[in-house]
Amino acid sequence: KAGVTQTPRYLIKTRGQQVTLSCSPISGHRSVSWYQQTPGQGLQFLFEYFSETQRNKGNFPGRFSGRQFSNSRSEMNVSTLELGDSALYLCASSSAPPGQGGGEKLFFGSGTQLSVL
Amino acid sequence: QKEVEQDPGPLSVPEGAIVSLNCTYSNSAFQYFMWYRQYSRKGPELLMYTYSSGNKEDGRFTAQVDKSSKYISLFIRDSQPSDSATYLCASINGGYNKLIFGAGTRLAVHP
Repeated sequence: KAGVTQTPRYLIKTRGQQVTLSCSPISGHRSVSWYQQTPGQGLQFLFEYFSETQRNKGNFPGRFSGRQFSNSRSEMNVSTLELGDSALYLCASSSAPPGQGGGEKLFFGSGTQLSVL
Repeated sequence: QKEVEQDPGPLSVPEGAIVSLNCTYSNSAFQYFMWYRQYSRKGPELLMYTYSSGNKEDGRFTAQVDKSSKYISLFIRDSQPSDSATYLCASINGGYNKLIFGAGTRLAVHP
């Protein structure tokens, strides 16, 4: 069974640009969540999608957005990139709908390493 | 104050040592506690999962949760060089798949 697939693995952008990251969940998983990992702040929750609807959102500015398609694949977009957006962006999928999981069914991809110059 | 606090280390131990990794948390509503292992340039992988207080053992790994003191521990027995990684504690907030992570402790096990 394939794991969570994130593309691209590495990305270099300049300030002011926008970027779209892609995540394909494990087959059968309908819940997808996104996390940002930086050396200073660690892993922080961005948002969670289930059945194409955003179910929960972390404390990030509106420049960070996402969506989920009918096949459960998800994309996240960051507009007007800032230097501080340089991070590893991780996608995780779960077989548990929101509110019905304890986190034990959450599986992470290898992430997209974004560098903003 | 962060909801989950974890000493980032680094921690360096010889092969075969017992490793103790610890976290504290501040939110009494937390009920689910996880330990993740993250190798360089990889995503976190779930290592241990516990619900409420108590111990859980899986091979060389033991997870402990003490809700009275809001303390989470992971013990690794007979540590191996392949255990060298960053270990992250996490808890669930709100029943969603929204994990609150500690900063992660970098562990190096040298032969």
